[in-house]
Amino acid sequence: EAGVAQSPRYKIIEKRQSVAFWCNPISGHATLYWYQQILGQGPKLLIQFQNNGVVDDSQLPKDRFSAERLKGVDSTLKIQPAKLEDSAVYLCASSFGVGYGYTFGSGTRLTVV
Amino acid sequence: GDSVTQMEGPVTLSEEAFLTINCTYTATGYPSLFWYVQYPGEGLQLLLKATKADDKGSNKGFEATYRKETTSFHLEKGSVQVSDSAVYFCALSVTGGGADGLTFGKGTHLIIQP
Repeated sequence: EAGVAQSPRYKIIEKRQSVAFWCNPISGHATLYWYQQILGQGPKLLIQFQNNGVVDDSQLPKDRFSAERLKGVDSTLKIQPAKLEDSAVYLCASSFGVGYGYTFGSGTRLTVV
Repeated sequence: GDSVTQMEGPVTLSEEAFLTINCTYTATGYPSLFWYVQYPGEGLQLLLKATKADDKGSNKGFEATYRKETTSFHLEKGSVQVSDSAVYFCALSVTGGGADGLTFGKGTHLIIQP
């Protein structure tokens, strides 16, 4: 089966600019997650969707980060405006459901200068 | 909140050496435990998991046992190879209210020398 697709692979922006990342989960996976992985650290959960509804966004910096999952399939994560500390790899993962395990995409590496 | 603590790296071993990477956790509920591996230039891959106390997860010669009494999930391998060089992440998931996202440790960089 096809994996979790993410784009772009790399993005360089200036601080205060906006950026968006896209994720296409594995077909049939109802649950989608966005993680932020800062260099030298483990991934941190930003948001979890179940179909097109938000299940957990407790660690999402809502003043600058937003995410949506239209029609319960693809998802977009946006940062506006970006800060230097947002430089990280943004990982998308999907799951068929609770207890079924998670599949990660290759990530988008964001550099804010 | 939930947290995972794993040993700092890098860990450097010779080929065929015995490997242990320590992992302990704190969880608000009853967690499932995972080890993920990230090879150079690749994405996160599930290495093994355990969902209840005393379960042993195993894969590719790696093992870890869910120890509830010591809140630990240490990763072991009897004889490491150069190809095992990677970053290893311990993680947990507690299901509640439909939320089951992973909480990761900081990762341990493993370097195996020939």
